[in-house]
Order: sequence, then C-alpha cells, then structure tokens
Amino acid sequence: GNSVTQMEGPVTLSEEAFLTINCTYTATGYPSLFWYVQYPGEGLQLLLKATKADDKGSNKGFEATYRKETTSFHLEKGSVQVSDSAVYFCALTLLIKAAGNKLTFGGGTRVLVKP
Amino acid sequence: DSGVTQTPKHLITATGQRVTLRCSPRSGDLSVYWYQQSLDQGLQFLIQYYNGEERAKGNILERFSAQQFPDLHSELNLSSLELGDSALYFCASSGRQGTNTGELFFGEGSRLTVL
Repeated sequence: GNSVTQMEGPVTLSEEAFLTINCTYTATGYPSLFWYVQYPGEGLQLLLKATKADDKGSNKGFEATYRKETTSFHLEKGSVQVSDSAVYFCALTLLIKAAGNKLTFGGGTRVLVKP
Repeated sequence: DSGVTQTPKHLITATGQRVTLRCSPRSGDLSVYWYQQSLDQGLQFLIQYYNGEERAKGNILERFSAQQFPDLHSELNLSSLELGDSALYFCASSGRQGTNTGELFFGEGSRLTVL
C-alpha cells in the first residue's frame, strides 16, 4: 500500500535558523506529493505541492523537490520565523479516478520557533 | 478560509452516546472526505463520498457511518462512543467539476471529547 514517513518532532529552532523536515514515501504508482501545514487551532492548509519527478514546489519561503530516485520530498526553509510554528504534514495521492483521491498523510512534525 | 464548514466546532459527550458531525463542502466540490486526528495517530482517513455515493473506505469503525446528501453536505455519525473516540474530526472536499488536482480543502475540524 501507500505510505508516508516523516521525521518525528518536535523540532525546536531559533528564529532565522534553517529548517529541514524529512519525508519519504512508498507508493504503488506515480504519486503527487504535498506539504500541508496546521497552525494552532486551525485546519490543514496546503503549503506546496509537486506532481512529477524533479518538480520543485515553493510557497512562503518553503521549498520541496520531488525526488523519485530517493522517493523523498523533504521540506526546507532557509530562515524561519516565530509565525512558522505549526505542525507540518507530508502527504501523497494517486490521481487515478476522476472522482478524486484521498490523501495519505505522514504522522506530522511539530515545529516550534523561538524568538 | 478554505470554504469548507464544519459544525459543531466542539462537542463534549459521555461514553455510549451518539453524535453527528456535519460538513458543508466548498461550493461546487463533489467529493467529501472524513479524517480523524488523534494525538498519537496522526491523520487517519475514514471515508470518501463523491456526488452522494461512497467511493473509498479507510479505517472507519463499524460504529461510525457517514452519508452525503443531494445538496452535497455530509454527516459523520459516531455511535456507542468510547473514550478512545476523542479526537479532532476533519472534513475535506475536492473535485469541482472538471478538475482533479489532488489538493484537498480542509475545514477547521470538530473536536470531540468523550468523558
């Protein structure tokens, strides 16, 4: 089956530090990959996505590159802010059916950025 | 604002009781998904409906059931509640006619506490 593994948190950083959250996946087909973010007390929001190998998704200073050879989609940000404190989820879907497909999520990584 | 509305936001009930969670999808979205987020288990996919029909089933207990109505809103019914059912229940939607990008749009969740 399909699965997503991401590094466990919490990850605690100082402001302006470099952030990396590792994500690897197992899929029976050719998935699309996503990073979602959940701020305290809120639902999940799409942060970025990539649909094919070597695609780079980027948003709000975050980046992730779809690496088919290593089945990875690591999230990076060069300089974090306190406002980046949240839980980050890596996810995949296989776009097979026109009716849409569920997302399979990793366990989430809590990030805490201190001033 | 994702456009997905969930009610109630918070619910406290006792073991053995039954509750209904409601979700209104984004305007035009045909698919509705339900996820359970527990403290130690991340996001677990429960069930998906597309245009009123069940399309995919995940780790949904027999005590739980869902449906999608002609106006596309969905309800998740949880019965014979146990302490372990305490969780955040998310609804997500996707699939405006003619589109399937893989992205899901999440509501803010319904937090269920079973005492």
